[in-house]
Parts: sequence; structure tokens; C-alpha cells
Amino acid sequence: EAGVVQSPRYKIIEKKQPVAFWCNPISGHNTLYWYLQNLGQGPELLIRYENEEAVDDSQLPKDRFSAERLKGVDSTLKIQPAELGDSAVYLCASSPGTYSSPDTQYFGPGTRLTVL
Amino acid sequence: KQEVTQIPAALSVPEGENLVLNCSFTDSAIYNLQWFRQDPGKGLTSLLLIQSSQREQTSGRLNASLDKSSGRSTLYIAASQPGDSATYLCAVGFQKLVFGTGTRLLVSP
Repeated sequence: EAGVVQSPRYKIIEKKQPVAFWCNPISGHNTLYWYLQNLGQGPELLIRYENEEAVDDSQLPKDRFSAERLKGVDSTLKIQPAELGDSAVYLCASSPGTYSSPDTQYFGPGTRLTVL
Repeated sequence: KQEVTQIPAALSVPEGENLVLNCSFTDSAIYNLQWFRQDPGKGLTSLLLIQSSQREQTSGRLNASLDKSSGRSTLYIAASQPGDSATYLCAVGFQKLVFGTGTRLLVSP
């Protein structure tokens, strides 16, 4: 069974440029998460989807970040415009669980973003 | 606000030693606690999940315990191997996981 797929694995951009990350969760997983991980820190949740609905986006900086999960499968996270402080690893995770039955989260390899 | 702390931040041991990693959390009203492993440049791999009604979980050489009343969890690794070298993260929560900063483990041959 394929794991969570993320692309690109690495991205280098200049500040004020837009950037997008793509995630393909494990087949059949209803719940999808986007996390941000700064160097030496644990991941922090940005947004959680149940199917195509964003059920928790309280940590997403909505002035510059946006996300979508069309058809409840793949998801895209976008930053526009990027700032120097956005340099981090962006992790996508999925789980088969639902709100009433949470389950282990399976993580992708992440996208390492460097903003110059 | 839930806060998760992991001690030590880094640990270096010779191969074969048994070791304990610690995780503490401030809000005992947790649902689940998970231990993850993260290798450099890679995502997280779930090792063990302890539901709030459980006190421990075991998988191979790994044993994780949970004491909600004291706000603590430990991850015990028996007979450590160089392949165990990685960063170990604990996380608490229901769907929204709150992670600790991790313990960086190095097992030398």
C-alpha cells in the first residue's frame, strides 16, 4: 500500500513569491492534516479536513495561507506571498478515522521550503 | 492550552543499552497519546498509540506507558540498536495532536 505522497520534496523561492504544496493521502483515508514543522520543533497543525470539509483551520494564517481538498482526496496548501519566516517543513498526514473514531496518523515525507 | 515537554532533548548511548524517553503534558484530559519516530529529512512514523483508557502499549522492543494523573508518558526501548537512532516525538490529543519538541537519540555501535 502506498503511503502519503507529497510534492515537491524541496522548494526554494524568493520572498513575496507564491508557492504551493500537494498531498495525496492514503487511499480511503477520510481525514487529512497539514502540519508545519520548524527546525528542532515538533509539528504544529495548520488545518484538518474531514473528507472535503475543513473542520479545524484555527491555526492557519488566513491572510497568506490557503488550502483546499477537492473531492475529498488530494489537497493543496498555498502560501501567497511567502515570507522569510515561512521557511520550514510542511507535512501532510492522513488517517482512516473520523471525528468519532480517531486513529493513527500516517505522515508523508514533507516539503522543505526555503524562502530567500 | 496543552503543552508537551520531552526530556532529555538529546541522548547518546552505546548499543545494547536499555533506555527511557520521557514525555510530560500539562492537561491530563487527553484522549490519546502517540509516540512517533522521525528520521532526518523524513516524515513521522507512528510507533505506539495509547488510548486514554489504556496504561501501556508494547510493540517488539518498545513499551510505552501512560499515567494521566501525573501527566506523564515514558517510552522504553530495550536492547538499543544503531538503527534506533532518530528523533522520537510524543503527541497528545484527539484529532488535533500537540507535539513535544522531541528527543534526539544516537545509538553508537
